[in-house]
Amino acid sequence: DTAVSQTPKYLVTQMGNDKSIKCEQNLGHDTMYWYKQDSKKFLKIMFSYNNKELIINETVPNRFSPKSPDKAHLNLHINSLELGDSAVYFCASSQDVSVNTEAFFGQGTRLTVV
Amino acid sequence: KQEVTQIPAALSVPEGENLVLNCSFTDSAIYNLQWFRQDPGKGLTSLLLIQSSQREQTSGRLNASLDKSSGRSTLYIAASQPGDSATYLCAPTGGGNKLTFGTGTQLKVEL
Repeated sequence: DTAVSQTPKYLVTQMGNDKSIKCEQNLGHDTMYWYKQDSKKFLKIMFSYNNKELIINETVPNRFSPKSPDKAHLNLHINSLELGDSAVYFCASSQDVSVNTEAFFGQGTRLTVV
Repeated sequence: KQEVTQIPAALSVPEGENLVLNCSFTDSAIYNLQWFRQDPGKGLTSLLLIQSSQREQTSGRLNASLDKSSGRSTLYIAASQPGDSATYLCAPTGGGNKLTFGTGTQLKVEL
């Protein structure tokens, strides 16, 4: 059983398109995150949600909109895709936002904008 | 703003060696610190979580230490194996359980 699963694993799309990446966790966690890994392999947080509420928005362009229909899902919708959006996007979850909770990551979605 | 540096950036060792990976961070007001490994084209696997009140944590051949006041953590790998080859990332945790990642150490263990 995959604890944190993302779909799709690979996504190739043209500039200007709108796309979504889905994430689901079956760990019963309250908190979910989106991280971005750029071409230099640097990982940085984008968003976090706790019980469907946004708690971290790390100055991400508003073309990126996370949506959490329930606490087991956190989807990432990207409008008007740009070349610079090409990266690997990782979803993660943790029990909650309290201290000392371990984060678990999905396998990543490699987005290529052409 | 938290900044995390990992040294060395890359490391190649023969099988069986013990090795140490270093991580330093600028803001000592952290809640805990996690070490991850990332295999090429794969996600992140959590290795160890050290709570801010702990000095070290062990899992199998891995031992991680934390000196919060000096902003340092080390990951010690005993008796390295080719299967240990991966990129190792440290990530101190701030408010909201936000992880700030280092640049990683790319480890290659050769036969």
